[in-house]
Amino acid sequence: QKEVEQNSGPLSVPEGAIASLNCTYSDRGSQSFFWYRQYSGKSPELIMFIYSNGDKEDGRFTAQLNKASQYVSLLIRDSQPSDSATYLCAVNRYNFNKFYFGSGTKLNVKP
Amino acid sequence: SAVISQKPSRDICQRGTSLTIQCQVDSQVTMMFWYRQQPGQSLTLIATANQGSEATYESGFVIDKFPISRPNLTFSTLTVSNMSPEDSSIYLCSAMEKSGANVLTFGAGSRLTVL
Repeated sequence: QKEVEQNSGPLSVPEGAIASLNCTYSDRGSQSFFWYRQYSGKSPELIMFIYSNGDKEDGRFTAQLNKASQYVSLLIRDSQPSDSATYLCAVNRYNFNKFYFGSGTKLNVKP
Repeated sequence: SAVISQKPSRDICQRGTSLTIQCQVDSQVTMMFWYRQQPGQSLTLIATANQGSEATYESGFVIDKFPISRPNLTFSTLTVSNMSPEDSSIYLCSAMEKSGANVLTFGAGSRLTVL
């Protein structure tokens, strides 16, 4: 079983819609959760991180965490073509200081 | 957040040769890591670069193939030894900062093509 699982997509949404990206993880000891965006040919860049159950909002982005269900999601409101990228979910356990990445979900926002 | 510089950004190498990738961070960081990203794939952790001591390798990666150095808090190197075409990949240096949230920042990556 993979540490972090994501649907590879592609997920296609029209411009202005809400894009919903999902991620599940296997290690209940995971304590921090991250969403990275990776444009083609570029390195990953951090969008958001979340530690506590519930929602965390930053501009058009909302991260949602449900530790009981071992589920993390990222919502992108008012999606723009510039949001088209691969979104990587990552989890971390403080005591191991390792970050495990999912395979990424490719998002296409159509004008 | 920390700014990470990696070089070379890309290289084309011959089979059997070795290449060293350098990673420089502009601030002191607690942890430095090396990842590999093969075409169309996600990131695979190669090793944690430990300051002044041997790196900690993940399953499937060995020191003879991927020797790593970290002489101080801001600099690390990864060598890909005796390269084969299967080593063609993007190699990413990353760091976790000393203060604030435990987030990873990545360098721009080094794209290696082995012929």
